[in-house]
Amino acid sequence: KNEVEQSPQNLTAQEGEFITINCSYSVGISALHWLQQHPGGGIVSLFMLSSGKKKHGRLIATINIQEKHSSLHITASHPRDSAVYICAVRSGGSQGNLIFGKGTKLSVKP
Amino acid sequence: SAVISQKPSRDICQRGTSLTIQCQVDSQVTMMFWYRQQPGQSLTLIATANQGSEATYESGFVIDKFPISRPNLTFSTLTVSNMSPEDSSIYLCSVLPATANVLTFGAGSRLTVL
Repeated sequence: KNEVEQSPQNLTAQEGEFITINCSYSVGISALHWLQQHPGGGIVSLFMLSSGKKKHGRLIATINIQEKHSSLHITASHPRDSAVYICAVRSGGSQGNLIFGKGTKLSVKP
Repeated sequence: SAVISQKPSRDICQRGTSLTIQCQVDSQVTMMFWYRQQPGQSLTLIATANQGSEATYESGFVIDKFPISRPNLTFSTLTVSNMSPEDSSIYLCSVLPATANVLTFGAGSRLTVL
């Protein structure tokens, strides 16, 4: 079993739909990151969470430390949101290695 | 946050040849990381590059196959040596900024080995 599991693996949505991507992990962590990877391969950091909830524009990220679970929500989805969304957890303190999920491939149709 | 310039962005190489990937950071950083992302897979850490010392390699990765240079605090290279089709992947460098709040990655180098 992978230490970081994401679901769904693939997601297709219509423009305007509310999107939820889930991440579960099995190790103790100091932080959880949500990343966005575009088709060219470049990765952009969206959020870093250690507790609670963060919001940036149409993106919302939440984390439940007790349940070892995080969700990334996209409101009013748009075709430009189409990308792979990756969850990564940092174990062993701020300098600890990152453990990456396999990613969720999101495609938003106009 | 730091800005990383990574090149080449992509390359197609012949079996048995070697390719060097470069990452230039616009600020001094202590640690740089090299990752491999095979098709359909998550990112896997190859090694951590520290200035002034040998890179630290993860299990399954060796210096002869993936030599790394870190001549100063803003630059690093990763060489993929004696390439085979199994080396076809995206290779990414990353840095850990002082705040450790924002992960910063290079744009990635998409390597195809024929």
